[in-house]
Amino acid sequence: DIQMTQSPSSLSASVGDRVTITCRASQSINSYLNWYQQKPGKAPRLLIYAASSLQSGVPSRFSGSGSGTDFTLTISSLQPEDFATYYCQQTYSTPQGTFGQGTRVEIK
Amino acid sequence: EVQLVESGGGLVKPGGSLRLSCAASGFTFRSYTLNWVRQAPGKGLEWVSSISSSSSYIYYADSVKGRFTISRDNAKDSLYLQMDSLRADDTAIYYCARREMIFGVSHLDYWGQGTLVTVSS
Repeated sequence: DIQMTQSPSSLSASVGDRVTITCRASQSINSYLNWYQQKPGKAPRLLIYAASSLQSGVPSRFSGSGSGTDFTLTISSLQPEDFATYYCQQTYSTPQGTFGQGTRVEIK
Repeated sequence: EVQLVESGGGLVKPGGSLRLSCAASGFTFRSYTLNWVRQAPGKGLEWVSSISSSSSYIYYADSVKGRFTISRDNAKDSLYLQMDSLRADDTAIYYCARREMIFGVSHLDYWGQGTLVTVSS
């Protein structure tokens, strides 16, 4: 099974900061990588698919990059509504689509 | 507007059964693969099961195989999850989610609000 490891597990940042979250796959997954945002008590929301494609309606401050085993989600200027938990998901080995363990972004 | 609305969650004793439903609207239901994804309290996301548009392909996570059954009714725009032999570690919020595929990469583009299943004596 493909394992997905996110780092860090949590981070504290201020409004306006540039934030980077990393996701590493245990084997190459090409660009079969998605990013989701989840706020407390809410369902996950798709942000980025295919490693770097922005989902419709998602602000352009969110961006994704990477291929193979190493991927990055970047928030260029953190906004108050961005404080949430972020998950990566590989869909190279479907249908299971393994999720990472999540990265919690908290207010500093 | 795409909507997925889960129902059927609740409190059930270990060894019991529960049937979850997911009512869809705002898109051509019969054209999409649907998934169930769960999240235990305070934990991350875990894919549970998926069913293709015509029910030809059905998959389960090892943790639920043999105990859960996914099905759909395209005439009613509805997805189901029959959960039998429930265990305490099945306690979670269960989400239904639509699978989209672009550039050959699948992703879950719409999610329901979730329904809570609690397995406890």
